[in-house]
Amino acid sequence: NAGVTQTPKFQVLKTGQSMTLQCAQDMNHEYMSWYRQDPGMGLRLIHYSVGAGITDQGEVPNGYNVSRSTTEDFPLRLLSAAPSQTSVYFCASTYRDRGIYEQYFGPGTRLTVT
Amino acid sequence: GENVEQHPSTLSVQEGDSAVIKCTYSDSASNYFPWYKQELGKRPQLIIDIRSNVGEKKDQRIAVTLNKTAKHFSLHITETQPEDSAVYFCAARRGRAAGNKLTFGGGTRVLVKP
Repeated sequence: NAGVTQTPKFQVLKTGQSMTLQCAQDMNHEYMSWYRQDPGMGLRLIHYSVGAGITDQGEVPNGYNVSRSTTEDFPLRLLSAAPSQTSVYFCASTYRDRGIYEQYFGPGTRLTVT
Repeated sequence: GENVEQHPSTLSVQEGDSAVIKCTYSDSASNYFPWYKQELGKRPQLIIDIRSNVGEKKDQRIAVTLNKTAKHFSLHITETQPEDSAVYFCAARRGRAAGNKLTFGGGTRVLVKP
């Protein structure tokens, strides 16, 4: 049981480039999310999904797209990278049971946009 | 939307002393309040949580209290140890009508001095 995996761990992009951050989970969780973490700003929700085929926007969705074709995978696409997107990105999958929502985070992707 | 404020942003305590972190939230419909611990360079991990129908919950040296009327909740760590040094995040989850989204506070960096 690998939990939540993310690739790559580190990435450097030039302004204007696009790329996809991969996220996968093997816990059969329906709910998955993407967050970005900037110093002093905690974790901010980018996009989330409540199940395969269903996605919705979080607090800071601009510049990012997501898709959820399977329960396991939830990739995050940067359309045209900007220096403001330099951050650490965490994918999370959520175990839900009787009002408890335990989020399992992936190891993170550290992205630098120059 | 939900707004979660967390104080203090940094906290330095002597080993063996107690540490208290406080959070306030804005949406009275929020019903679940987890706390995450993030060690340097690692992913956030759930350490304790509380549902809105409970006022206090304890797990060994950590406890969480919730005051729904005042919309604030707190994390208490007793007998602090050097391994408690980390960044702690509070969060509030809104209900199904708001997509069960989790909003995080800005984090508290705790340093336990030996």
